[in-house]
Amino acid sequence: AQSVTQLDSQVPVFEEAPVELRCNYSSSVSVYLFWYVQYPNQGLQLLLKYLSGSTLVKGINGFEAEFNKSQTSFHLRKPSVHISDTAEYFCAMEGGTSYGKLTFGQGTILTVHP
Amino acid sequence: ETGVTQTPRHLVMGMTNKKSLKCEQHLGHNAMYWYKQSAKKPLELMFVYNFKEQTENNSVPSRFSPECPNSSHLFLHLHTLQPEDSALYLCASSQAIQGAYEQYFGPGTRLTVT
Repeated sequence: AQSVTQLDSQVPVFEEAPVELRCNYSSSVSVYLFWYVQYPNQGLQLLLKYLSGSTLVKGINGFEAEFNKSQTSFHLRKPSVHISDTAEYFCAMEGGTSYGKLTFGQGTILTVHP
Repeated sequence: ETGVTQTPRHLVMGMTNKKSLKCEQHLGHNAMYWYKQSAKKPLELMFVYNFKEQTENNSVPSRFSPECPNSSHLFLHLHTLQPEDSALYLCASSQAIQGAYEQYFGPGTRLTVT
């Protein structure tokens, strides 16, 4: 069975500090991986995605993620966070022939403190 | 209107009521999705439509009835719901279901069942 695990339910951090949100996945087939962000009272917005090729993926708002096949991980990073990055972040996977069927992790709430 | 819109944004209904949620996408996409987002649980895919045809029903109870009259509109008809059905219902669309096309999400309908 396919699954996505986000290792931290909440991550507090100070403004301008670096942050890493961790995501591990489980799948017996090749996968596509995504990070979405959800601001309060809004839907999800795609930050970045890994389909193939370079394992370092750059997204919007200064975020990047690295696909590590051997560790089945897809951690999200930002070198310097802003107050406006406070939101909930979701890692998601689409595997094999499961077209359109995203499997989401439980979400990580990032809180940036001044 | 741009992107994916959902109405109403908030809905309170009794267990014996019948109501409908509406989703409209203005992106020219061919695939549409319903997700359920409950507190403390990962997003759950409910239904997938591709070119108006349902391609996925993720074991959703029959008290939820989707309808997709065309590629731009998606409805979720609700009847005799239970309190545990209270959640945020998100609609999404994508250009196609193959090839890991990005899903664009609406802001959601916050449903409370009393």
